[in-house]
Amino acid sequence: QVQFVQSGAEVKKPGASVKVSCKASGYTFTNHAIHWVRQAPGQSLEWMGWINPDNGETKYSQKFQGKVTISRDTPASTAYMELSSLRSEDAANYYCATSFYDNRGYYTYWGQGTLVTVSS
Amino acid sequence: DIVLTQSPGTLSLSPGERATLSCRASQSVRTNYLAWFQQKPGQTPRLLIYDASRRASDIPDRFSGSGSGTDFTLTISRLEPEDFAVYYCQQYGTSWTFGQGTKVEIK
Repeated sequence: QVQFVQSGAEVKKPGASVKVSCKASGYTFTNHAIHWVRQAPGQSLEWMGWINPDNGETKYSQKFQGKVTISRDTPASTAYMELSSLRSEDAANYYCATSFYDNRGYYTYWGQGTLVTVSS
Repeated sequence: DIVLTQSPGTLSLSPGERATLSCRASQSVRTNYLAWFQQKPGQTPRLLIYDASRRASDIPDRFSGSGSGTDFTLTISRLEPEDFAVYYCQQYGTSWTFGQGTKVEIK
């Protein structure tokens, strides 16, 4: 079964960077894009960007352009999301996710989330 | 980026009542690639509807989706106690975008 396991919670100071990992299993890693979504406490879901694990192509939301870098390690079936110049507003749960069609329908799979706290 | 606007922000209803949630896109959603998710506190979003009107695997038939182009609707025909949650629409025709959510709360 498709599964994503994300790295553990992080506490960072303002101005620092954070890098979150997302290890995929249960499917061919290079077959489907991996997206990153964040959710601040009590707020809605925000799409940040995606990566094509096959060729490394990335696309970012305009809001996060220059702020986020998404990368991957194909042999390790792992995607990464790095967020720079952290501010208090970046405190949130960060999720990796993928979605695709198969012969039964359309499915979306989520990691368990990584809580990032920004505090001096 | 496509902007999705959901209404209302909060819906106060009783179990057994019908819920109608709206999602409007700032431009036409390519091939009606529009999904609806349900999220409860402490949980990841659960896919309910995809391609605007197709129910996802194991979703009860009281959930239905409709619409095309820029206007979409999620209907819950008769609310069950477990349906009180936050609902998000998402377009996946051009990257991804999420609406701001509609909270369905017990009246």
